[in-house]
Amino acid sequence: EVQLVESGGGLVKPGGSLRLSCAASGFTLTTYNMNWVRQAPGKGLEWVSSISRSSSYIYYADSVKGRFTISRDNTKKSLYLQMNSLRAEDTAVYYCAREDSSGYAYFGYWGLGTLVTVSS
Amino acid sequence: DIQMTQSPSSLSASVGDRVTITCRASQGISSFLAWYQQKPEKAPKSLISAASSLQSGVPSRFSGSGSGTEFTLTISSLQPEDFATYYCQQYYNYPVTFGQGTKVDIK
Repeated sequence: EVQLVESGGGLVKPGGSLRLSCAASGFTLTTYNMNWVRQAPGKGLEWVSSISRSSSYIYYADSVKGRFTISRDNTKKSLYLQMNSLRAEDTAVYYCAREDSSGYAYFGYWGLGTLVTVSS
Repeated sequence: DIQMTQSPSSLSASVGDRVTITCRASQGISSFLAWYQQKPEKAPKSLISAASSLQSGVPSRFSGSGSGTEFTLTISSLQPEDFATYYCQQYYNYPVTFGQGTKVDIK
């Protein structure tokens, strides 16, 4: 069974940093591109970042470019999101999402999410 | 960036109703369109990819159609478990973008 379990969320002050993790199980991580998608309270879905199977290709939303860094460790079956210079508008549930094996960026599997709250 | 616009933003329907949600892209995206269902406090669930390809395990009352700039999600006979918010998403290019969502609630 495919499982994606996010961790690392919490309360952080504006300007602070946080590192999210996503533990993958039930499938071979090296076969899939991975993504982070977020959802602010009461709002819609916003794609944040994508990383290819071997980390060769990385993409970011403009809203996080230069502040967030996506990475993965296939040996540890994990995906990460390093978030720096956090702002109130980064407050959201952050989901780890797996792309289709074909490499197309639709998300067949999602984690349960981890809540990040940026507030003083 | 490609903007995705869903209509309506919300609708009220009864069990057994046929429901149609429209998603328009600001430019052509071929068939690189996915649909998701999200229930309150839950993660999104993938329903359809490639505009019309039903994901494994998704009931056949769900169907998708369209290509280019206009797409539809149809629920042929609404069931109690279908009351949720639905999102379209284009994956034609980066940044991947979602529609604003359509909330389907009970009339």
